[in-house]
Amino acid sequence: IAGITQAPTSQILAAGRRMTLRCTQDMRHNAMYWYRQDLGLGLRLIHYSNTAGTTGKGEVPDGYSVSRANTDDFPLTLASAVPSQTSVYFCASSGTDSGANVLTFGAGSRLTVL
Amino acid sequence: GQNIDQPTEMTATEGAIVQINCTYQTSGFNGLFWYQQHAGEAPTFLSYNVLDGLEEKGRFSSFLSRSKGYSYLLLKELQMKDSASYLCAVGDSNYQLIWGAGTKLIIKP
Repeated sequence: IAGITQAPTSQILAAGRRMTLRCTQDMRHNAMYWYRQDLGLGLRLIHYSNTAGTTGKGEVPDGYSVSRANTDDFPLTLASAVPSQTSVYFCASSGTDSGANVLTFGAGSRLTVL
Repeated sequence: GQNIDQPTEMTATEGAIVQINCTYQTSGFNGLFWYQQHAGEAPTFLSYNVLDGLEEKGRFSSFLSRSKGYSYLLLKELQMKDSASYLCAVGDSNYQLIWGAGTKLIIKP
């Protein structure tokens, strides 16, 4: 593993089903984030975690939950998927580059809810 | 409310220079970031400005004016591989990033 790994890469899901998107990083970054990206909109923060054991709500948290049991893993769960959750989901973690708190992103998970 | 504005799409010619503008209104300011995102891929970090002025990194430069709520990304000697979306993001008072919708840059030979 180098950087951030997300799984699955893509998934088609029936409405009402439960789904967990996995995210693992090997950079020992304290902070991790889940974003969704929709056409014509900026990245929107769903949930974040500043350190293992803590989580916080972002801009669009409804319908999603997260956990942060350890530094490396930050799964995102959709308890009962709805079509409006069709999106590309990016997991990210942050470290420091030239004094800036820079995000490193995973490759993304494309989710389609029918 | 918080808002980041940047053009939806721009077209430029290989070898030329292009400037992508970004204006912002946020609650607090903790740095302005530019990311590059190729189609179907993850965003990758390009530049960071926290003080007014120009930051240069090879063919790419980024400028910031905090008083005007304005930044631009300048790309010189354009190459076909520069065809991508360029995302402007601002750190707000909680150090969370507010993102623009991105500017899709099309490079023509």
